[in-house]
Amino acid sequence: SYELTQPPSVSVSPGQTARITCSGDALPKQYAYWYQQKPGQAPVLVIYKDSERPSGIPERFSGSSSGTTVTLTISGVQAEDEADYYCQSADSSGTVVFGGGTKLTVL
Amino acid sequence: EVQLVQSGAEVKKPGESLKISCKGSGYSFTSYWIGWVRQMPGKGLEWMGIIYPGDSDTRYSPSFQGQVTISADKSISTAYLQWSSLKASDTAMYYCVRNGFDYWGQGTLVTVSS
Repeated sequence: SYELTQPPSVSVSPGQTARITCSGDALPKQYAYWYQQKPGQAPVLVIYKDSERPSGIPERFSGSSSGTTVTLTISGVQAEDEADYYCQSADSSGTVVFGGGTKLTVL
Repeated sequence: EVQLVQSGAEVKKPGESLKISCKGSGYSFTSYWIGWVRQMPGKGLEWMGIIYPGDSDTRYSPSFQGQVTISADKSISTAYLQWSSLKASDTAMYYCVRNGFDYWGQGTLVTVSS
């Protein structure tokens, strides 16, 4: 079955830039979406269609795509950005797939 | 305002049946697919399947095909996720999400324990 691969954890100091990657063979042909999930809360969409930012999401969140890898970048990380982040896309048949998630720790 | 409001937490025994709900409001319920997502305790998000309330066209993730049933009643703008025989391994938080993934329900915690 199709898989999206994320690093289990990323650590960054406040004010620095965090980059979370997501790799999958179908990513050149399927859009990627990114979600932030804080403990006890439902996921929140932070990036859609690879690089679009929903209204209300801070500008420090951005997305990019290159080949089979998409990247979520958080510039000027703040303590409130500490959360789990999930990428999501689809396989060749259109079935939705989530990455395993990345725990972002703000040191 | 778009909202997806899910039914409350459930505690069930193995072998029992269950149907949880997700009521949409603030948009045309029949015009957007509604998906279901499982999150087991301490684990990641898993896609279960999706339904188009306009005509009840339903697609399941291979991992969940035959394990659950997704349905919708467009007359009351509500989607459902049901089990005919629960297992302890069904213990999880379940979220509904509008296609586009911009709006999520608050989640329904299902606990299955003898």
